[in-house]
Parts: sequence; structure tokens; C-alpha cells
Amino acid sequence: AQSVTQLDSHVSVSEGTPVLLRCNYSSSYSPSLFWYVQHPNKGLQLLLKYTSAATLVKGINGFEAEFKKSETSFHLTKPSAHMSDAAEYFCVVTTFSGGYNKLIFGAGTRLAVHP
Amino acid sequence: SAVISQKPSRDICQRGTSLTIQCQVDSQVTMMFWYRQQPGQSLTLIATANQGSEATYESGFVIDKFPISRPNLTFSTLTVSNMSPEDSSIYLCSVVANPISSYEQYFGPGTRLTVT
Repeated sequence: AQSVTQLDSHVSVSEGTPVLLRCNYSSSYSPSLFWYVQHPNKGLQLLLKYTSAATLVKGINGFEAEFKKSETSFHLTKPSAHMSDAAEYFCVVTTFSGGYNKLIFGAGTRLAVHP
Repeated sequence: SAVISQKPSRDICQRGTSLTIQCQVDSQVTMMFWYRQQPGQSLTLIATANQGSEATYESGFVIDKFPISRPNLTFSTLTVSNMSPEDSSIYLCSVVANPISSYEQYFGPGTRLTVT
């Protein structure tokens, strides 16, 4: 069965320093993986996706993630944090069940950015 | 991508009553999904709603509690029936814009429900 584990429930960084949000996945086949962001009192926005093309995926707002099959990881990074990056981030894997491709969400990582 | 709107954006309801949440998409889509996000938690899939067929519910969710309608390719409703405080959550709908090329889903802004 497919699953995702976000290794940190909270991450706190200073503005201008790098961001690393960790995600490990479990999948019995080659998965599709996503990162979504949820700002306070707002809906979910797709940051980036991996669908078996390039292993280094670039997303919006300067974020990127690297798919590492040997480590079953899909960590999200950004070179320099901005105050506006403070939000909840979800790592997501697809699963095929009941005739449909569905999304399985990780527990989420809350990113705090302080001056 | 797809632009999705939900009504209402938030509501406060009394226990024992029902609330119907509407989801409108700006383009025709085959696959729509309804999720629940309990306070401080991640998203849990309630059901898949495809036009022309009955909704498919995930384990732990039943049609009597969460009836869903999907009358056409741009609209769906989720009803939360006989509400209790445990139903206080954000309810989100989502769509797959292009199931052939990829499976990412686009989400509506959510409906924040508080049951007193």
C-alpha cells in the first residue's frame, strides 16, 4: 500500500536561510508525488509534482524537490526562506484504488519563518 | 488547471441539523473528490464523485451521513447530515483537470463548518 511520512511536524527557520521539509514515501510501484501548500484560512495550492520524468522537480515560488528512489524520499527545499513561505506543507502520493487514482496526504509540516 | 468555488465559505450550525456544501468548477471535469480536514489534521478523502455514477465512499464514511450529488460535469454537492460537534471541519472539493497526463488535483477554497 502507498503511504507518505513527513518526518517533521514543525520546522522553524530564519528569513533568508534554506528550507528543508522531509518526506519519505512507500509505494509498490513507481509513484506520482506532489507537494501542496496551505496558507492560513486558504485552500491548497500545488507547489510541484513528480511523475517519472526528471528526478529534480522545480515548482513555484522557488521551491524544488528531488525524487530519490534508493532512499524513497521526496524532500522539499528552497535556498532562501521568505516570510510569506510560512504555511502548512503536505507531501502527497498517488494510489490506485477502487478504479481511480487517489491522493494520500502526509500529516503535514508547519513551516514558521521568523525575522 | 481549474478554478473551483465553494459555497458557503463557512457556517456555524446546530447539532442535529444538515448542511449542503456546493462545489462549482469553471470547466467540465470527470472526476471530483470530497475531503475532510479536521482541526489541525491532514486531509482525509470522503468520497469520489463521478458524473453519471454513484459516489464511491472511503472506509469510515457512509452515504447516509454524507450524501453526494453530481448532476453534471461542473457541479457537485456534499451534505453533512445530522451534524454533531465531531463534524466540525473544513470540507474541500477537488478535481482532476487532466486525468490522462497526470493526476494532480486542484482544490476549492474549502468550507469551514463549526457545529455547536
